[in-house]
Amino acid sequence: GENVEQHPSTLSVQEGDSAVIKCTYSDSASNYFPWYKQELGKGPQLIIDIRSNVGEKKDQRIAVTLNKTAKHFSLHITETQPEDSAVYFCAASLRNFGNEKLTFGTGTRLTIIP
Amino acid sequence: NAGVTQTPKFRILKIGQSMTLQCAQDMNHNYMYWYRQDPGMGLKLIYYSVGAGITDKGEVPNGYNVSRSTTEDFPLRLELAAPSQTSVYFCASSYSLDEYSPLHFGNGTRLTVT
Repeated sequence: GENVEQHPSTLSVQEGDSAVIKCTYSDSASNYFPWYKQELGKGPQLIIDIRSNVGEKKDQRIAVTLNKTAKHFSLHITETQPEDSAVYFCAASLRNFGNEKLTFGTGTRLTIIP
Repeated sequence: NAGVTQTPKFRILKIGQSMTLQCAQDMNHNYMYWYRQDPGMGLKLIYYSVGAGITDKGEVPNGYNVSRSTTEDFPLRLELAAPSQTSVYFCASSYSLDEYSPLHFGNGTRLTVT
């Protein structure tokens, strides 16, 4: 089955700096890569996603890049703010399968230092 | 809309006890899921349902049971609680099973088995 590795497990950055979280996947048949943000005491919430036919996607201060050849994808957060502090999960989904085959990474706890 | 509502928020069980984790959604989603979240392990799918009366096993179903009698409700049953079931449990729903249909999570139930 699919295996998703996520690094780092914890990340602290100064407010205003950028943060990068990286994930690698094992199955070249994976074609959809969402990112979820989990705030303290809450469930995860989708913040951005990317499909395998796209190399980069941006939404305001958040961007995701995908390198299919290397089988890795990354989340980039620019101009970080205190409300960006949360746990972030990457995930990968196999082509021709749905959410029942969504594999999550192990999470990155991001702390923004004021 | 309340979205996905989980009860209780916290519970402590003794080994061998039983309990039901409740989950309800008011978004008229046909697809519902139960995940467990363990430190450093990401989210693992326990069971999912594609509609009332239809359920299927996920990656880690052992020790759990589910039922889906209505579109709104998807309870998770633990029959003989074991310490290995200490975890945070998340219920989620989606509009479709399609991987592009985002998961909407509840705020979780933290269960401790001692």
